[in-house]
Amino acid sequence: EVQVVESGGGLVKPGGSLRLSCAVSEFTFSTYTMNWVRQAPGKGLEWISSISGSSDYIDYADSVKGRFTIFRDNSKYSLYLQMNSLRVEDTAVYFCARCGGYLESDYWGRGTLVTVSS
Amino acid sequence: DIQMTQSPSSLSASVGDRVTITCRASQTITNYLNWYQQKPGNAPKLLIFAASILQGGVPSRFSGSGSGTDFTLTISSLRPEDFATYYCQQSYSPPYTFGQGTNLETK
Repeated sequence: EVQVVESGGGLVKPGGSLRLSCAVSEFTFSTYTMNWVRQAPGKGLEWISSISGSSDYIDYADSVKGRFTIFRDNSKYSLYLQMNSLRVEDTAVYFCARCGGYLESDYWGRGTLVTVSS
Repeated sequence: DIQMTQSPSSLSASVGDRVTITCRASQTITNYLNWYQQKPGNAPKLLIFAASILQGGVPSRFSGSGSGTDFTLTISSLRPEDFATYYCQQSYSPPYTFGQGTNLETK
């Protein structure tokens, strides 16, 4: 069964940095595009970044462009999100998800909570 | 950016009801439209992709239709476990925007 597990969330001060990790198993990681999606408390879903299997194609939402970096290590079956210059409005649960052929997010992790507060 | 507008934002219904949620894109997205269900405290769950293809394991009472800019999610006969929030998402062009969600609650 496909497994997706995020880690690395926590409390950080405004302007600080955090790196999220997403460990996957039971599928050939290098052949799938992966997404990060976040959800602020009580709010809807926000797509924030995607990376293709070979890292050739990377996209970001405007809200995080220039501050967040998505990358992957296919040998470790892991996806990452480096978050710099964090803002209070980045407070959210961050989900990692595998993408299918229509770039739908077909398998999701349970999420990791990032809280940005002084 | 492509804007996704769902309606209604909230909906009250009863077990056994037929329910329809609509999603409109600000420009054509052909059939790159996905539907998710989310229950409180849980990750979203993919229900339908490519506008009308049911994800494996999803009950057949869920169906999707539409193309271009207008799409619908239909639940043919509501069951108690269907009360949740539903989101559409376009995966045609980044940023892959979500609708604002439809909160389906019990009447």
